Amino acid sequence: GAVVSQHPSWVICKSGTSVKIECRSLDFQATTMFWYRQFPKQSLMLMATSNEGSKATYEQGVEKDKFLINHASLTLSTLTVTSAHPEDSSFYICSARGTSGRALFYEQYFGPGTRLTVT
Amino acid sequence: ELKVEQNPLFLSMQEGKNYTIYCNYSTTSDRLYWYRQDPGKSLESLFVLLSNGAVKQEGRLMASLDTKARLSTLHITAAVHDLSATYFCAVDDFADGLTFGKGTHLIIQP
Repeated sequence: GAVVSQHPSWVICKSGTSVKIECRSLDFQATTMFWYRQFPKQSLMLMATSNEGSKATYEQGVEKDKFLINHASLTLSTLTVTSAHPEDSSFYICSARGTSGRALFYEQYFGPGTRLTVT
Repeated sequence: ELKVEQNPLFLSMQEGKNYTIYCNYSTTSDRLYWYRQDPGKSLESLFVLLSNGAVKQEGRLMASLDTKARLSTLHITAAVHDLSATYFCAVDDFADGLTFGKGTHLIIQP
C-alpha cells in the first residue's frame, strides 16, 4: 500500500519553544492530509484537515494560531506547535488521502506518528 | 455531529475463545474502517468496508458492515496472544477526516 512518513518520530522540547513536524506521502500525491492527536490511553482526535494550496480547516476547540499547518505541496504537510506547553505533549499522527500512485481513493494512509514531550 | 460508539472498551479473553467487538455510528456513511494499534505505535489498517453487507476476513479476524443498522462488527475466532492490541473502528463522511471510536483494549491470555 501507499506509504506516509513522519519526521521526527519523537521530540523533546522546552516549554515556550516551537516544534515542527513533517508528514510526507512517499509514493503518491496527497490531495488531502489530516492531523490527529492522541493522548495516552485515548482515541485519536482529528485536529485539522488540509488540502494542498489551501488553508487548513481546524476542528472546534483546536487553536489555529497555536497549531500551524502548511500543505505547500502534494507530498508534504507540516504541523508547527508554537509556544509549546506541557499539556501539548501527545502523540501526533498524520494521514493522507490521494488518488495517484499506490493510493486508493477511499483509504487514509497513516504515518508512524510523532511523540512530542514538552518539559 | 457524527458519533462512533465501540463496545466493549476493554476485553480480556483466553486463547482459543471467540469474541465480537461492536461499532455503532450515527451517520449514514457507508465507509467503515477497522484499525489495530500496538502500544507506542501508529495505526495498522485491518479492514475497509465500503458497502452494506460487506464482509472481509483476514486470518482470525472478520469484519462486517450493516449500513441500515449503522453497525459494524469485528469478530475474533480462536484468539491467540498475538492479537492482543487496541482495536479502533472509524467512520468516514469523506468531507472531513475519520471519526474514531474510543477503541477496544484487547488482552488475550494463555
